[in-house]
Amino acid sequence: QVQLQQSGAELTKPGSSVKISCKASGYTFTSYDISWIKQRPGQALEWIGAINPGSGGTGYNEKFKGKATLTVDKSSSTAFMQLSSLTPEDTAVYYCARGYYGGYSYYFDYWGQGVMVTVSS
Amino acid sequence: DVVLTQTPVSLSVTLGDQASISCRSSQSLEYSDGYTYLEWYLQKPGQSPQLLIYGVSNRFSGVPDRFIGSGSGTDFTLKISRVEPEDLGVYYCFQATHDPWTFGGGTKLELK
Repeated sequence: QVQLQQSGAELTKPGSSVKISCKASGYTFTSYDISWIKQRPGQALEWIGAINPGSGGTGYNEKFKGKATLTVDKSSSTAFMQLSSLTPEDTAVYYCARGYYGGYSYYFDYWGQGVMVTVSS
Repeated sequence: DVVLTQTPVSLSVTLGDQASISCRSSQSLEYSDGYTYLEWYLQKPGQSPQLLIYGVSNRFSGVPDRFIGSGSGTDFTLKISRVEPEDLGVYYCFQATHDPWTFGGGTKLELK
């Protein structure tokens, strides 16, 4: 069965960087995009960007350019997101989600469990 | 960026009632290929979001037929015909027509 297993919670300091992971299983990793979505406590969802694991091509929400960097390791079927120059506003749960393009629709059909990143001095 | 405005923000219902959620877009969500990339997700308390509806009106695998999506252009609606306890949580509309992709602000469905 399809699963996206994310890494554990992170507690980091302002100004630092953090790299979180999303390990895919149960399907061909290179055949589907992986998107990353941010959810601040009690807030709505924000799309950060997406990566095509097959080509390594990326697309970012302009708001997160310079903040988030998306990469993959095809050998381990794992997607990564690095967040840099962290501030308290980066404190949030970060989800990875598999993007499915069905020809007339695009949607996130499987989600990771989320990673809580806390930025505090 | 495309803004998706969901109303109401909060909806209190009795089990068995019908619930209706509106999602209005600041721009038409019909893409140049003629398709409309509008989806609905439900986030149950303490869980990751889950897909309910894709392409405006198509129920995802395993989603009960009491969930009905409709709309076109800039106005979309999700109806739940008979609310059950497992339907409670926050509903989000989402568009993948325009870059950047955006979510609505969410509608919390709770019991009266």
